[in-house]
Amino acid sequence: TQLLEQSPQFLSIQEGENLTVYCNSSSVFSSLQWYRQEPGEGPVLLVTVVTGGEVKKLKRLTFQFGDARKDSSLHITAAQPGDTGLYLCAALYNQGGKLIFGQGTELSVKP
Amino acid sequence: GAVVSQHPSRVICKSGTSVKIECRSLDFQATTMFWYRQFPKQSLMLMATSNEGSKATYEQGVEKDKFLINHASLTLSTLTVTSAHPEDSSFYICSALPFPGTSGGFYPYNEQFFGPGTRLTVL
Repeated sequence: TQLLEQSPQFLSIQEGENLTVYCNSSSVFSSLQWYRQEPGEGPVLLVTVVTGGEVKKLKRLTFQFGDARKDSSLHITAAQPGDTGLYLCAALYNQGGKLIFGQGTELSVKP
Repeated sequence: GAVVSQHPSRVICKSGTSVKIECRSLDFQATTMFWYRQFPKQSLMLMATSNEGSKATYEQGVEKDKFLINHASLTLSTLTVTSAHPEDSSFYICSALPFPGTSGGFYPYNEQFFGPGTRLTVL
């Protein structure tokens, strides 16, 4: 059973389009993180959301944490080829720092 | 701050040999490091939690005798893949959890920092 359900798993869009990635769970989390990973590299932390209903913006990326702290979304406005990569949501499983990851969303933005 | 390195970045070895991968926190101390495995186009799968000075905690289904983990110092953890076989070929990634007060930044939410990964190919 996947504790964090991430969707869609694959997304191929044209430059300039908008997209949303979802991360859902039946569990409540104290915080949730979003990472971006490029091929052959380690994941890079984009944002941590901790408060229910919180919205954080990072240039064209908007992250939202659900009111009940069970789900989160990542919205990208006017996607660019440089946004191509694997996007991962992750939640803290315990106080020891163990993370659980969603399945990931492979995004391809074509020029 | 909060930089993690891995060595080697890629390694090719023959079946039956052992391979050691190092994970170092360069500018902070980490009492806890994590080892992940990742297959192409897939998410990260946690293999084990490595704690400095104690035995690693392995996730269900991960063979502890196959994947030896040593966390001998506050800045270094090693993963040794023993008697490697082609099915062990994968991308191995480590991450480190900064010990409070030892990194240049303030990370209140247990953020951990990932190494660049090691591509292992077993022929």
